[in-house]
Amino acid sequence: DGGITQSPKYLFRKEGQNVTLSCEQNLNHDAMYWYRQDPGQGLRLIYYSQIVNDFQKGDIAEGYSVSREKKESFPLTVTSAQKNPTAFYLCATRQWGNSNQPQHFGDGTRLSIL
Amino acid sequence: DQQVKQNSPSLSVQEGRISILNCDYTNSMFDYFLWYKKYPAEGPTFLISISSIKDKNEDGRFTVFLNKSAKHLSLHIVPSQPGDSAVYFCAASVVGNQFYFGTGTSLTVIP
Repeated sequence: DGGITQSPKYLFRKEGQNVTLSCEQNLNHDAMYWYRQDPGQGLRLIYYSQIVNDFQKGDIAEGYSVSREKKESFPLTVTSAQKNPTAFYLCATRQWGNSNQPQHFGDGTRLSIL
Repeated sequence: DQQVKQNSPSLSVQEGRISILNCDYTNSMFDYFLWYKKYPAEGPTFLISISSIKDKNEDGRFTVFLNKSAKHLSLHIVPSQPGDSAVYFCAASVVGNQFYFGTGTSLTVIP
């Protein structure tokens, strides 16, 4: 979707290394999300943030960390504690509020282990 | 525990015919349902949604049907076009909470 930029598109990690995936948005959306997609599986929620300086764990947060210092940015760090990091990572944003609003996605980062 | 399920991993349809993609859910508290379309190496694109107060929502060639008693959601594409070939994900949420996604159905439209 326009307005959500994920970088890099491809990333390689060595054993024992932390890597950080970038997600930037200019949609002025309040909420941001990180998902992981594995082959043949749906999107699984890692972390999400509804407002700046606040975030919550999703279903598979172990081995990951996030920060939300600015409304526009929600970087995801894949730590060495994540034993199976190879996957396609998707960032999404959503306008928060009571009305039904869809999530909008970036084009993803594919992380592989060297 | 998968709260949103797409039991058909793949579907092939002739160009011009109807494509019907199905989705089942288990959580009766879900009140907002969505369909996304995804091409390889890209993020999902929002296609169409429906709230639980409706049983049908149309947008051009795409129609979503909701059967709350059966906890079943379907997406109809009429007529199907080769450019519709992609993976389709259904998703559900309770307003203000996280979204739950199905495992996807890969649609191939044969010219």
